[in-house]
Amino acid sequence: GAGVSQTPSNKVTEKGKYVELRCDPISGHTALYWYRQSLGQGPEFLIYFQGTGAADDSGLPNDRFFAVRPEGSVSTLKIQRTERGDSAVYLCASSLSLAVRETQYFGPGTRLLVL
Amino acid sequence: GNSVTQMEGPVTLSEEAFLTINCTYTATGYPSLFWYVQYPGEGLQLLLKATKADDKGSNKGFEATYRKETTSFHLEKGSVQVSDSAVYFCALLDDYKLSFGAGTTVTVRA
Repeated sequence: GAGVSQTPSNKVTEKGKYVELRCDPISGHTALYWYRQSLGQGPEFLIYFQGTGAADDSGLPNDRFFAVRPEGSVSTLKIQRTERGDSAVYLCASSLSLAVRETQYFGPGTRLLVL
Repeated sequence: GNSVTQMEGPVTLSEEAFLTINCTYTATGYPSLFWYVQYPGEGLQLLLKATKADDKGSNKGFEATYRKETTSFHLEKGSVQVSDSAVYFCALLDDYKLSFGAGTTVTVRA
């Protein structure tokens, strides 16, 4: 079946602009996660959702970052007033449920470049 | 807090060589442990996992054993192929969040 999909695959923007990154989880998966991967590093946790609500947003770096999941499926990560330091690959993952040992399946990522 | 430390790369091997990538972790609870792999131009894929102490995860000829006494989850493969060239990430899952190591780049030469 279809895996996690993310759009766009690449996004180039200018400093100060607003961007939205979209994630479509695996069908039937109730938990959804966002991570950020900087060059040469492992992914770092940003936020996760169980259903429509953000269960833990402790990884969001500041209030310029916000994510929503209004219908419990597709999620959008929103970044306001982008900065060059926001350049990274943004990864989305989903899991069947929010069980403590549930495997997370990753999408291909959105590569964001802020000029 | 939770953290994962894995062997720095890059690692370059000849085909059919033995591969080991060391991974140790620090966790406050009893995490599940994972190895993810990222092939060139592709996204992160789960390679194997272990959910409790002494469990062995295995897939595609790779193995890793969850060692609670040494807080380790070393990845091994007895005979690598060119197609194993990739970046390998060790990770732990605790409180629903994955914490990753920095990744180890492995290149296998024919």
